[in-house]
Amino acid sequence: SQTIHQWPATLVQPVGSPLSLECTVEGTSNPNLYWYRQAAGRGLQLLFYSVGIGQISSEVPQNLSASRPQDRQFILSSKKLLLSDSGFYLCAWSATDRGLLRTDTQYFGPGTRLTVL
Amino acid sequence: GQQLNQSPQSMFIQEGEDVSMNCTSSSIFNTWLWYKQDPGEGPVLLIALYKAGELTSNGRLTAQFGITRKDSFLNISASIPSDVGIYFCAGQGLRGTSYGKLTFGQGTILTVHP
Repeated sequence: SQTIHQWPATLVQPVGSPLSLECTVEGTSNPNLYWYRQAAGRGLQLLFYSVGIGQISSEVPQNLSASRPQDRQFILSSKKLLLSDSGFYLCAWSATDRGLLRTDTQYFGPGTRLTVL
Repeated sequence: GQQLNQSPQSMFIQEGEDVSMNCTSSSIFNTWLWYKQDPGEGPVLLIALYKAGELTSNGRLTAQFGITRKDSFLNISASIPSDVGIYFCAGQGLRGTSYGKLTFGQGTILTVHP
């Protein structure tokens, strides 16, 4: 079975500090990967998605960047955090093959709560 | 772009009552998904619908893919305190992409009083 991990679970960072959030998926190969931000417990905003190693697409202009150094690893980064970067960050994956799993169904990780002070 | 209108935004019910929430789209969808999010956790997939008219159950939960392909509903029967959380609908439209991009509703906050 497939599992998705995120760490850290919670993070408190000062304004202007760097950020690195990690997401890894197990039990599947070549997944599509996604980063979402959720503010105030409502609404999921898609930030980035990746269809393969080194392939990153940004959905909204922002202070964040994403990278995919390995097939099942997705990293969300920032060089200098802003107060507005606070929120709940969710990683998700979907399948790319047309086997048992559909490509149009996403599965979420446990999330990282980021507080920028 | 595609938008989903999810209603109601919040519900306050007594334990044992039935719950109904729905999502409507401005365009035709090929896929409807329902997720539940507990506080501080990631959304968990409850039910996936892939065919117009499809009616699927998962325990006390029942969801349907509207015949017009522009709506879906989720029903919860005999609610219990652990049903508390935020319920999201999500879907993919006709112009779906190979990478499975979804459109999400704004969520329904469910509170169950014992």
